Amino acid sequence: AQKVTQAQTEISVVEKEDVTLDCVYETRDTTYYLFWYKQPPSGELVFLIRRNSFDEQNEISGRYSWNFQKSTSSFNFTITASQVVDSAVYFCALSAPAGMDTGRRALTFGSGTRLQVQP
Amino acid sequence: GAGVSQTPSNKVTEKGKYVELRCDPISGHTALYWYRQSLGQGPEFLIYFQGTGAADDSGLPNDRFFAVRPEGSVSTLKIQRTERGDSAVYLCASSLGQGQGYTFGSGTRLTVV
Repeated sequence: AQKVTQAQTEISVVEKEDVTLDCVYETRDTTYYLFWYKQPPSGELVFLIRRNSFDEQNEISGRYSWNFQKSTSSFNFTITASQVVDSAVYFCALSAPAGMDTGRRALTFGSGTRLQVQP
Repeated sequence: GAGVSQTPSNKVTEKGKYVELRCDPISGHTALYWYRQSLGQGPEFLIYFQGTGAADDSGLPNDRFFAVRPEGSVSTLKIQRTERGDSAVYLCASSLGQGQGYTFGSGTRLTVV
């Protein structure tokens, strides 16, 4: 069974602060994909990143960075110099890898972390 | 279309009624997923189509829920004898498969009164 835990229900920061959103996952698969999605008030889920479990390199994209630690089953997300537009609910998700003959390719989501960035 | 389109955006129905929710995926995307998101929760998987067939329907909560994708493009999620507990946002996503990133629609907010 797969499980994703986002222990932080809500985080509030002031603009320009750095903030880290935690994600811990459980899976019996030896290979898998990890994702982060942003859900602004409009409700649409916006894809941010996909990470293959083979690749433990950290990734940076502008103000966003991701820290994947397979040893601790964590995939944390940091926003540097946060902005009001970053206010949203952020979801971490896990899926089985491509190429499997059977099994679910769907995403297992965490319960989300609501980030509020105050001006 | 450019994105995943879901209609209607909002649906209010009476308990016991039948509803249909439509998803129009990105052209060429063979994989299509339905999720349900209750207030304050992450989306929960309902069903996955690869082409016309339901490859995995293990997330459907009971036999009141059914989904089809007859031509491998548009999909319809059907809910019979709706209950108040069915109230949620129903999200559709499509992808090229192979573990690619999923593109989600804006969802249909279903309210059962």
